[in-house]
Amino acid sequence: DAKTTQPNSMESNEEEPVHLPCNHSTISGTDYIHWYRQLPSQGPEYVIHGLTSNVNNRMASLAIAEDRKSSTLILHRATLRDAAVYYCILLGGSQGNLIFGKGTKLSVKP
Amino acid sequence: GAVVSQHPSRVICKSGTSVKIECRSLDFQATTMFWYRQFPKQSLMLMATSNEGSKATYEQGVEKDKFLINHASLTLSTLTVTSAHPEDSSFYICSASLAGDNNEQFFGPGTRLTVL
Repeated sequence: DAKTTQPNSMESNEEEPVHLPCNHSTISGTDYIHWYRQLPSQGPEYVIHGLTSNVNNRMASLAIAEDRKSSTLILHRATLRDAAVYYCILLGGSQGNLIFGKGTKLSVKP
Repeated sequence: GAVVSQHPSRVICKSGTSVKIECRSLDFQATTMFWYRQFPKQSLMLMATSNEGSKATYEQGVEKDKFLINHASLTLSTLTVTSAHPEDSSFYICSASLAGDNNEQFFGPGTRLTVL
C-alpha cells in the first residue's frame, strides 16, 4: 500500500484557517486521496476525497498538487469541534479497506 | 450520510468469557463491512473484512478462531471475541461501505471493551 506522511500534531486558533499537509510521493495513478477525522472516543468520520482536481464540500477543501505527490486539507474556519486526529489515506480504485496511519492531531485554541 | 450503529457501546466482562459486538447499517445495505481495533493513543488497525454470505478475510496476525465474524445479512455483521483476556481490552470499531468507486466508508461509534 502506498504510504502517507503527516505531521504528528498541529495547533490552530479558533476561526482561523487550518492547512493540514500530507505527503504521498509513492501514490499510483489509480489511488484516491481520502481524509477522515476521529474525534476523541468516537469512530472516524469521512471528510473529503479526491483524485486529481481540488475538491470542496461543506466540511473542508482538498488541494491536490499537480504531481499528486502531496495534498492539503483545508479547514476554512477552525472551530473547537474540529479538534480531532486527521487521517490522510490512499485508496486504490478496487481496494475497499482503509489503512490508517498515525494522522495529525489538531488542537484548536479558543 | 449513511448511519452505522454498534451495540453495545461499552462492555465490561470477566476474563475467559465471550463478548459479541453488533454492527448495523441503519439506512443502507452494506455488502462489505470492516472491523478495526484501536488501542489507547494508537491508530486504527484493520482486523478483518467481512462480506455478506461469505467468510471474513482476516489481516495478518489476527486470529480467526478468537475473533469470530458473522456477516449474516446486508445490514448486520457481528464480531465475537471468544475467551476474552485483559489484552483484548480495546476500542472496537466497525465500518461499512456502499458499492461505488469512491469507497467512502461509514464508521460506527465504536465499542469499548474492558476485560477484567
